[in-house]
Amino acid sequence: AIQLTQSPLSLSASLGDRVTITCRASQDIRGGLGWYQQKPGKAPKLLIYDASSLQSGVSSRFRGSGFGTDFTLTISSLQPEDVASYYCQQFTDYPLTFGGGTNVEIK
Amino acid sequence: QVQLQQWGAGLLKPSETLSLTCAVYGGSFSGYYWSWIRQSPGKGLEWIGNIDHGGSTNYNPSLESRVTISVDTSKNQFSLKLNAVTAADTAVYYCADQTRGDAFDIWGQGTRVTVS
Repeated sequence: AIQLTQSPLSLSASLGDRVTITCRASQDIRGGLGWYQQKPGKAPKLLIYDASSLQSGVSSRFRGSGFGTDFTLTISSLQPEDVASYYCQQFTDYPLTFGGGTNVEIK
Repeated sequence: QVQLQQWGAGLLKPSETLSLTCAVYGGSFSGYYWSWIRQSPGKGLEWIGNIDHGGSTNYNPSLESRVTISVDTSKNQFSLKLNAVTAADTAVYYCADQTRGDAFDIWGQGTRVTVS
């Protein structure tokens, strides 16, 4: 199975800061990556698909980039509503797998 | 706008069978794949398996021996059965849709299942 390693495990940043989360795949997954935001007690919400395509209705503060094995989710200006856990997920090969998650907090 | 609504028993005893159903509302039942995903307390997300419109399935090898996913296109529903549950199967279970065949863009509300 393809392993996805996210870093950092958690981060604390100030309002308005630029935040970057990385996801590394154990093998080449081309552009087959999605990013999700999950708030406590809620289902995950798709933010980015195909590594860099913004899901309809999602704030343009979120940007995805990368290809192959290294991927990045960037929040351009951290807002209070961005406090959540973030997960990457690959859909290139079965079994579909998720990264371990990154918790984002406000400093 | 497509929505997923799921239901099923929330409390099971060890060795029983977990059974959940997910209904697709508000749109065409013509997505690429429908999946089941779980999240254990305080842990990350684990994909269980999926099914397509024709009934072809893919399962996570870690659960494959105990899992069955089925689809009823006449009711716009798909279902999960997980046999011989143990405490390790305690989790929130989600159904999800891959309407483009890639990422999970629509999710159910989640069902908390406890095995005790």
